[in-house]
Amino acid sequence: DAGVTQSPTHLIKTRGQQVTLRCSPKSGHDTVSWYQQALGQGPQFIFQYYEEEERQRGNFPDRFSGHQFPNYSSELNVNALLLGDSALYLCASSRDRGDTQYFGPGTRLTVL
Amino acid sequence: GENVEQHPSTLSVQEGDSAVIKCTYSDSASNYFPWYKQELGKGPQLIIDIRSNVGEKKDQRIAVTLNKTAKHFSLHITETQPEDSAVYFCAASTGGNTGTASKLTFGTGTRLQVTL
Repeated sequence: DAGVTQSPTHLIKTRGQQVTLRCSPKSGHDTVSWYQQALGQGPQFIFQYYEEEERQRGNFPDRFSGHQFPNYSSELNVNALLLGDSALYLCASSRDRGDTQYFGPGTRLTVL
Repeated sequence: GENVEQHPSTLSVQEGDSAVIKCTYSDSASNYFPWYKQELGKGPQLIIDIRSNVGEKKDQRIAVTLNKTAKHFSLHITETQPEDSAVYFCAASTGGNTGTASKLTFGTGTRLQVTL
C-alpha cells in the first residue's frame, strides 16, 4: 500500500519565479492538505482540497494556489517567489470522513 | 483561531527513562489531538492520536492523556530507546467528532535526545 508521495524532493528557484509541487495521496484517500514548514518550526496549514475544490485555507497570500485532479492527486503553485518562501512543503492526505492525516516526505524549496 | 503551545522545546533523557511532552490549546472546539514524530529530512509520522471523548490512550511504550477542562494534552514515552530521538509535534483540530478532515494546528516541536 503506497503512502503519500511528493515530487520533486528538492527544488532551487530564484526570487520572482514560479514553482509547482506535486502530491499523490495514500490509496483510498480523497482529501489533500498542504502545509509549509519553516526551519525549526511546526507545519503551518496552507489549504485543503476535496472534490477538486479548495475547502479550507490558512493565512497565506493568493500567491499560493492549488489544484486537485479527478484521481485525487494535487498540485501546489507558488507565484512571485520570495526568499521567505524557502521551506519544506508537506502534503497530507486523509479520507473525507476521517480526521487522521498522513504526511508525505515533503519537498524542500530553496529560494535564492 | 487555534493556538497550540508545546513544552519543552528540547528534552534530553537517558536510555530507559521516561519522557513527557506537554501541549496546551486555546480553542475549546478542538476535539482531535494527534502526535507526530519527525526525523531529520523526513515528513511527520503519526505515532498516536486521541479524540475528545477519551481521556487516555496507550500503544505499547507510548501513551497520550487529555484534560479537556484544562485544555491540555501530554505525550508519555516509557523505556526510551536511542531510536526515539527525533522532533515531536503535537497538533489540534476541530474535525474529530464530526468525521470531517480539518486543518491541523501544530505546536512548535520538542527535540528529544535519548542518550546511552
